[in-house]
Amino acid sequence: NAGVTQTPKFQVLKTGQSMTLQCAQDMNHEYMSWYRQDPGMGLRLIHYSVGAGITDQGEVPNGYNVSRSTTEDFPLRLLSAAPSQTSVYFCASRSSGRGDTQYFGPGTRLTVL
Amino acid sequence: GDSVTQMEGPVTLSEEAFLTINCTYTATGYPSLFWYVQYPGEGLQLLLKATKADDKGSNKGFEATFRKETTSFHLEKGSVQVSDSAVYFCALTGNQFYFGTGTSLTVIP
Repeated sequence: NAGVTQTPKFQVLKTGQSMTLQCAQDMNHEYMSWYRQDPGMGLRLIHYSVGAGITDQGEVPNGYNVSRSTTEDFPLRLLSAAPSQTSVYFCASRSSGRGDTQYFGPGTRLTVL
Repeated sequence: GDSVTQMEGPVTLSEEAFLTINCTYTATGYPSLFWYVQYPGEGLQLLLKATKADDKGSNKGFEATFRKETTSFHLEKGSVQVSDSAVYFCALTGNQFYFGTGTSLTVIP
């Protein structure tokens, strides 16, 4: 089991550029989520999905799009990057049980200049 | 709504000292409670969890007890090591996962 994988590990963008952060899991988990982590802010939920074809907004969705065409993949798209999106991004997955553990990827460190 | 409040850091301890990181929660329904640990440059990984009141989670010498009467899930370790230096997050599941803001722990030799 690779668990939750994310690519790339590091990325530098210029303001206005677009990119997609990739996330994949091989545990057949229904739930997948994207978080951003900023100093002093903890983890903030961007978007989440409870299954293929179903996505919903989290706490800080503006500027980000997601789709879930398969159980395994949950990419996060930045349509027009802004310096405020400089952050560390984590993808996570879990099963639907109430006490099930959420598993995290290693993160993508994004800098927007 | 559901939320988690945890002790702010940073916390600095000497090796072999006793550790407590406080965590309290607000939840509707029947939450499960978690402690995650994040080592520098890595993602979060599960440290321990408890899925019902009075359950005790334990791992690697760390312990936490789900106390419904005080809505708490404090993390403890009797003797910390340098390798325990990391950021610790308390979390609960309701409809979603809710995380505290994290507590940075540094253990000095």
